Amino acid sequence: AQTVTQSQPEMSVQEAETVTLSCTYDTSENNYYLFWYKQPPSRQMILVIRQEAYKQQNATENRFSVNFQKAAKSFSLKISDSQLGDTAMYFCAFMGGIIKAAGNKLTFGGGTRVLVKP
Amino acid sequence: EPEVTQTPSHQVTQMGQEVILRCVPISNHLYFYWYRQILGQKVEFLVSFYNNEISEKSEIFDDQFSVERPDGSNFTLKIRSTKLEDSAMYFCASSVGDRPSSEAFFGQGTRLTVV
Repeated sequence: AQTVTQSQPEMSVQEAETVTLSCTYDTSENNYYLFWYKQPPSRQMILVIRQEAYKQQNATENRFSVNFQKAAKSFSLKISDSQLGDTAMYFCAFMGGIIKAAGNKLTFGGGTRVLVKP
Repeated sequence: EPEVTQTPSHQVTQMGQEVILRCVPISNHLYFYWYRQILGQKVEFLVSFYNNEISEKSEIFDDQFSVERPDGSNFTLKIRSTKLEDSAMYFCASSVGDRPSSEAFFGQGTRLTVV
C-alpha cells in the first residue's frame, strides 16, 4: 500500500516570501501521479498542481512549483511570492498509475498548515 | 464553472440514527468518490463508484456504509447506524475519465456530527 508523509504540521511565511512544503511517499509502482491540494478555511479541496512520475521536468503553475525527486520519493511544493490568500492547509496526494476499471483513488498525506503573515 | 455540490453543509444526528449525505457530481463526469476527514486528521478514501457499482472500497467502508446513484444525477452516501467515530467531514468527488491524469473535483464537504 502507498503511504504519503508530510513532516511539517505547520509553517508560517511573510507575505511576498517563499515557503517550501515537504512530502515523501512510498510506493512500489513506477508510474504514478502526485498532487498538491489546497484546503482553505472553507474546507473545499482545490487542486494546486500535479506531477506525472514519468516526466522529469518539474511542474509549475504560476507561483507554485514542485521539486520532484523520483529516486528519493520526494515531492516538495514551493510557493513563491506568498499571498494572504495562500493561507490554507496543503495536502500532498498520490495516485497509482495503473488504470483501474473505475477510477483511481487518492492517498493523502497528513497535511501542512500554511499561515501567510502580512 | 461546473462544480460538485454537497448537501447539507452540516448535519447533526443522534448515535444510532441513519444519515444520507447527498452529492451532485459534475454532469458529464462518470467516476464518483467519497472521502472523509476526521477533524485534524488526513483525508481518507472511502469508496469509488462507476457504472452503477462500487469499484473499490477501503477498510473503513464496512457494512454500515452504502452508496447509490438513485436518479442519474445524485450520488449518495448512507450510514445506517451512526457511531460517534463517524463524526467527520465527508467529501464527494467526481472525475470525467478513468485516466489518472483526470482531475478529481471535490465538493465543499458535509460536516457530520454524531452526538
